[in-house]
Amino acid sequence: GAGVSQSPSNKVTEKGKDVELRCDPISGHTALYWYRQSLGQGLEFLIYFQGNSAPDKSGLPSDRFSAERTGGSVSTLTIQRTQQEDSAVYLCASSLVRGQETQYFGPGTRLLVL
Amino acid sequence: QKEVEQDPGPLSVPEGAIVSLNCTYSNSAFQYFMWYRQYSRKGPELLMYTYSSGNKEDGRFTAQVDKSSKYISLFIRDSQPSDSATYLCAMGFTGGGNKLTFGTGTQLKVEL
Repeated sequence: GAGVSQSPSNKVTEKGKDVELRCDPISGHTALYWYRQSLGQGLEFLIYFQGNSAPDKSGLPSDRFSAERTGGSVSTLTIQRTQQEDSAVYLCASSLVRGQETQYFGPGTRLLVL
Repeated sequence: QKEVEQDPGPLSVPEGAIVSLNCTYSNSAFQYFMWYRQYSRKGPELLMYTYSSGNKEDGRFTAQVDKSSKYISLFIRDSQPSDSATYLCAMGFTGGGNKLTFGTGTQLKVEL
């Protein structure tokens, strides 16, 4: 079946604008994660959704960042009033519920804030 | 100090060489350890996954974990140009919400 898909693949925006990034997880995967990958920084955890439980938002860097997951499937990461330091690759991953399940990553959205 | 330290490289080796990639960590709560490979402009893909000290082998790849030293390694035998990628170590613990903590990644180039 299809893997994790993300859209858009690239996004260029102006400082101060809002952006929405989309993630379609693998069908049947109840866990969904967002990470940010900046040059030289590795992958930084942002937020985690597990089924109908309240999301773990502990990695969100500021209140300009939010995410939702509708119907337990598609997720949208929203960045409001973008700043240049938000420029990074935003990666989404999904996994089966519980335990040390393998996380499958999408190709990422490359965000550039001018 | 970061929880997981990884030399960013770049590391350049000739084809056929044995490659050693390493990570150290400071959080003794980590219980399971992974190595991901990331090609340019792609998402990471899981290579190896282990949750005990010792060695785990899969084809040309061997993952080694030493929990007492908080040190993990990935060895690649008979390296190929197709192994050229960034290798990321990652680790997590049960009860940690399945969140993974990643190293910064080591860029590897295998030259003909």
